[in-house]
Amino acid sequence: DSGVTQTPKHLITATGQRVTLRCSPRSGDLSVYWYQQSLDQGLQFLIQYYNGEERAKGNILERFSAQQFPDLHSELNLSSLELGDSALYFCASSGQHGGSYNEQFFGPGTRLTVL
Amino acid sequence: AQKITQTQPGMFVQEKEAVTLDCTYDTSDPSYGLFWYKQPSSGEMIFLIYQGSYDQQNATEGRYSLNFQKARKSANLVISASQLGDSAMYFCAMREGNAGKSTFGDGTTLTVKP
Repeated sequence: DSGVTQTPKHLITATGQRVTLRCSPRSGDLSVYWYQQSLDQGLQFLIQYYNGEERAKGNILERFSAQQFPDLHSELNLSSLELGDSALYFCASSGQHGGSYNEQFFGPGTRLTVL
Repeated sequence: AQKITQTQPGMFVQEKEAVTLDCTYDTSDPSYGLFWYKQPSSGEMIFLIYQGSYDQQNATEGRYSLNFQKARKSANLVISASQLGDSAMYFCAMREGNAGKSTFGDGTTLTVKP
């Protein structure tokens, strides 16, 4: 158990809908990262927050947004969902904001299925 | 250009044998970290081993070791004495400089045969 929790574990929804994925980082970790794992794109970095501020942005679509709250939990909002958004969404956390020596701990993931 | 390349989509190994999973990387940043993760069929990402670009010695963690060849830009994972529970997808990842994000390879599916 990495100490990172993600809810829900599974989510099934329809095209055009909006969903919210939630992540609680390890106790004391200030950074939260969101990754998307799909069959055709592999594991892609979406966005990073550090202590409530957006720190880095990756291949995140405009239909997606995220935020990190004062208690450090984070939410990833996906709207106008398309079939291609079906994927496993991981949250990871770390104590630092960056650096090549910075270990990240991954949550169990949320499996999103868009029908 | 692909930053992390894993050329072996699938690998088979006999139980108790050693296996090497290949990873090459591309970066111009002198400071970087290389990571290996295991993803079993249940889906979670399990951290295995880390190698820093300035580390003089190859990293080892139990049955896992990382064969780091800086000049060749390769960071191969060696699993000794394979077990059935090692069957999983293995990802090589890199973090550069002050970046927080990790860049992942496409993964290698390892199957351990009894």
